[in-house]
Amino acid sequence: DGGITQSPKYLFRKEGQNVTLSCEQNLNHDAMYWYRQDPGQGLRLIYYSQIVNDFQKGDIAEGYSVSREKKESFPLTVTSAQKNPTAFYLCASSQGSSYNSPLHFGNGTRLTVT
Amino acid sequence: GESVGLHLPTLSVQEGDNSIINCAYSNSASDYFIWYKQESGKGPQFIIDIRSNMDKRQGQRVTVLLNKTVKHLSLQIAATQPGDSAVYFCAEQAPTGFQKLVFGTGTRLLVSP
Repeated sequence: DGGITQSPKYLFRKEGQNVTLSCEQNLNHDAMYWYRQDPGQGLRLIYYSQIVNDFQKGDIAEGYSVSREKKESFPLTVTSAQKNPTAFYLCASSQGSSYNSPLHFGNGTRLTVT
Repeated sequence: GESVGLHLPTLSVQEGDNSIINCAYSNSASDYFIWYKQESGKGPQFIIDIRSNMDKRQGQRVTVLLNKTVKHLSLQIAATQPGDSAVYFCAEQAPTGFQKLVFGTGTRLLVSP
């Protein structure tokens, strides 16, 4: 079955530590995205990548970093510079940056930083 | 499960009723719209989409209506089932050259047996 796999489902870290969230897709999609979800708010775009070895900042990129070395993988690092990192993180992909194709989401990683 | 929406608008219906979930979008230039369903602890799942050259689109048990004049989108679910209980998001996309979706805050649908 094709899909997007995010791991782990739950992640706990101490303040001041960097943490990397995994996202893998086998849909052969060119574009991948990271969103953050907080209670009572819509999804907010962190970073996106339209093609391998290229990525762009979204609306709330501060304190985050990404890489796109392979088409299938788009890991997100939450750095210690992110002031409020506790959230539900969602990875998504789409067929391409071409217009009008829906995003397909993984099942998320819940990050808790204490 | 995940508390993805602690203070969301909530629609409570009885099993078998028809449900209507509403969404006001913000950008008059948006020309593509999507409805997603999110169950507790899971990622959003695509339900149906519509382009701005259409007013209505039907899927299996779902219908999306678009009113561009008042920037309003609705999702109608026929014969609502307990398995339809979830948070529903609308998303809009403007022709910016990059596929950026702007998501609404969501509506929680609760279906009672």
